[in-house]
Amino acid sequence: GAGVSQSPSNKVTEKGKDVELRCDPISGHTALYWYRQSLGQGLEFLIYFQGNSAPDKSGLPSDRFSAERTGGSVSTLTIQRTQQEDSAVYLCASSRQGASTEAFFGQGTRLTVV
Amino acid sequence: GESVGLHLPTLSVQEGDNSIINCAYSNSASDYFIWYKQESGKGPQFIIDIRSNMDKRQGQRVTVLLNKTVKHLSLQIAATQPGDSAVYFCAEAGGTSYGKLTFGQGTILTVHP
Repeated sequence: GAGVSQSPSNKVTEKGKDVELRCDPISGHTALYWYRQSLGQGLEFLIYFQGNSAPDKSGLPSDRFSAERTGGSVSTLTIQRTQQEDSAVYLCASSRQGASTEAFFGQGTRLTVV
Repeated sequence: GESVGLHLPTLSVQEGDNSIINCAYSNSASDYFIWYKQESGKGPQFIIDIRSNMDKRQGQRVTVLLNKTVKHLSLQIAATQPGDSAVYFCAEAGGTSYGKLTFGQGTILTVHP
């Protein structure tokens, strides 16, 4: 596609349930990032994939959060046993060569945990 | 830990005025600084970036200034238009965390017609 695509655009889940958020990066982009944005806040780094290198997971807030990237393309962010504080917009971005400049963001998945 | 922050959370200007949005950073090892614009309900959109070996870079109606001495970054928007109304984030990357963008809190820019 022309841009970074995320699905679903909105997700409401019950506390304690698991959720999966999907990101389709721009074709040919080797780097993929996940960020979390709470209402009125900046973007909190979660995880970064670059090619076949081991991902930088330093931003994942707890072991309930995990992400994978299959075939160097699509990525899935999984949150297990969701909590209300997980409610936020989850943003995915991709870039061509791993440089953070010119990273293109998707429109995000708004997650609401009730 | 390292952080990037903004001096002003909100900025209101009249259409046609020039806008200046400021940002302070603390990681002296950062190689890149980037400004993003985020409109309501959308993901951040890249505006302009600057490398640490530069002190000024110009784009279309935008200029980014970098003062490494005081670790300060600014975004100047010339002839601000209502369509410029958005949240503006500065971000830094590089050093030992190359690839990982660290974002500031953001500044809300409101342009009044």
